[in-house]
Formats: sequence, C-alpha cells, structure tokens
Amino acid sequence: EAQVTQNPRYLITVTGKKLTVTCSQNMNHEYMSWYRQDPGLGLRQIYYSMNVEVTDKGDVPEGYKVSRKEKRNFPLILESPSPNQTSLYFCASSLSVSNEQYFGPGTRLTVT
Amino acid sequence: EDKVVQSPLSLVVHEGDTVTLNCSYEVTNFRSLLWYKQEKKAPTFLFMLTSSGIEKKSGRLSSILDKKELFSILNITATQTGDSAIYLCARPMNSGGSNYKLTFGKGTLLTVNP
Repeated sequence: EAQVTQNPRYLITVTGKKLTVTCSQNMNHEYMSWYRQDPGLGLRQIYYSMNVEVTDKGDVPEGYKVSRKEKRNFPLILESPSPNQTSLYFCASSLSVSNEQYFGPGTRLTVT
Repeated sequence: EDKVVQSPLSLVVHEGDTVTLNCSYEVTNFRSLLWYKQEKKAPTFLFMLTSSGIEKKSGRLSSILDKKELFSILNITATQTGDSAIYLCARPMNSGGSNYKLTFGKGTLLTVNP
C-alpha cells in the first residue's frame, strides 16, 4: 500500500530534550517536506527536499533540522525543543513539488 | 505578506447550498495550483490545476484556474454535512535556482449545517 508513515504519532516532551520525528514513504517520490499546522495559521512548510542530499528551508525553519540521506526517509530533528514548537506536524511526499502531496497521519507534539 | 490568500476564512451554509471558495496568488514562476480537503486528520488531495480556463470536476466539486487574474475557485454544489472541512489551496514558489517550496493559504473553514 502506498503510504507515508510518521513516528511517533503523539509526543509529550520537555524543553531542551532533543527529539526526532521519523518520516518514510514507499512511493519512490523525489519531493518530501515537513509542515506544521497551528490554529489560524494554516499549514506552513518547515523544510523540504527536492531529492536525496538536497534540502532547503521552507517558511518556518527556525529550530528545526532535516536530512535526506536516502530517498524514502526524511527525519525532522528538534535539537532543543521549546514550547512554541508545540504543534501538529505533517510529513508529505510527491513526485515533484507541482504534483499531489501524500500526507502522513500527523504527529502531535507538546513541549512543556 | 501572504503569497497565497484564501477567502472567505470561514463560511457557514445549509445543506443543499452551493459554495464558492477563492484562492488568489502572486504571479511569479507559476507551475501549478493544488486544492486539498482537510477533515480531522491529514489533508487529502482534490485537484491540481495548471492550465487556465479548464475546469476540473469530481462529483459535486469543481475547480478552475484564471492565470490572467491570478486566482482559482473551488465550487461545491448541493453541499452535504460531509463537506464540512477546511479547504486548502497551495502553490509551488521558487526559492532559488531549481528549488521550490510549497506555500499554502490559511484555508477556508466550511461548515455545512443540516
């Protein structure tokens, strides 16, 4: 089944404790990205990757890191999480930026 | 300044009504415009538009792009309570060289009352 998986689905953590949210797709898509969704602000892109080893900042990259060492995986790293990073996070993939994005189920992160 | 602007931000209608949702965008380096529906989970794809004036249709939903006036509309006819959702539009934006980020509008929250 074609899908994008994210883990964990829910996470409660404390300020400053490094965490990684994993994202994996099985559709051989080149374009992958991370979004955060906050009430009233819509979906905002954090980072994206055009292909393996090619990543770039989206609209809200501060406080996040990503890597794309292989095509299927695109982890999101929060080196020192802060409460303002409490949000709903989505990973997505597509053949290219112009095509339909396939979204993962979302990760609800709470930083206390 | 928002590069993808949706209107209205929220809308309440009765079942059976027809609604029109708007998405306007800046002109630079147009590649496509996409519409998504989001209920209480991840967004799901509705339409991808690349050519002006060609209507895309799926059941009661349809969408069209006007590249001259820089907007797209999403129409829903004979609305049902199951159409209640956030409707999002998005477009690729060049961020340098051959890199493109994807920018979403803030969405339109549609509520369909029985």
